[in-house]
Amino acid sequence: EVQLLESGGDLVQPGGSLRLSCVASGFTFSSYAVSWVRQTPGKGLEWVSAISGSGGSTYYADSVRGRFSISRDSSMNTVILQMTNLGAEDTAVYYCAKGGPSFSNSPDRYFQHWGQGTLVTVSS
Amino acid sequence: EIVLTQSPGSVSLSPGERATLSCRASQKVSSTYLAWYQQKPGQAPRLLVYGASNRATGIPDRFSGSGSGTDFTLTISRLESEDFAIYYCQQYGSSRLTFGGGTKVEIK
Repeated sequence: EVQLLESGGDLVQPGGSLRLSCVASGFTFSSYAVSWVRQTPGKGLEWVSAISGSGGSTYYADSVRGRFSISRDSSMNTVILQMTNLGAEDTAVYYCAKGGPSFSNSPDRYFQHWGQGTLVTVSS
Repeated sequence: EIVLTQSPGSVSLSPGERATLSCRASQKVSSTYLAWYQQKPGQAPRLLVYGASNRATGIPDRFSGSGSGTDFTLTISRLESEDFAIYYCQQYGSSRLTFGGGTKVEIK
């Protein structure tokens, strides 16, 4: 059974940083791309970032490029989202989601499996 | 970026009725790369349909997707109590993935 477990969400001040983790199990970790998708009451669902199975390719939404960094640790079956210079607009529930083998291929970019989400609140 | 507009924003229906949800794209979605998800309060989205018309594993056949180009539809043939939820479409033909704003299906 595929499982994705996020952690790291917290209350952080504007301009601060936070690191989210997604621990995966139930599939061959290095063979699949993983994305982060966030959800706010106001803006709905927004794709944030993705990383290829090998970790060699990364992708970012324009809204986070230059502030967020995605990486993966195959020894721990973990995908990391490092977030810096956070603003109120980054307040959301952050989900990790498993797509197909390669994010660079269109057919692989829908999400069969999702984690339960972790809440990030940016506020002073 | 491709903007997805879902309509209606909400709909009130009774169990056993048919639900027809629309997702319209601001430009053509490549090769029917469109998915539909269901979300219930406090839960993550659940994949229902991919490739515009392919049901995901374990999804009942009362759910069906159709459409191409810029106009897509999710139909629930006979609503059951567990189907009252919010439904989202997502396009994935472009690497700039986008989601629609959702349609809430409420019990009448």
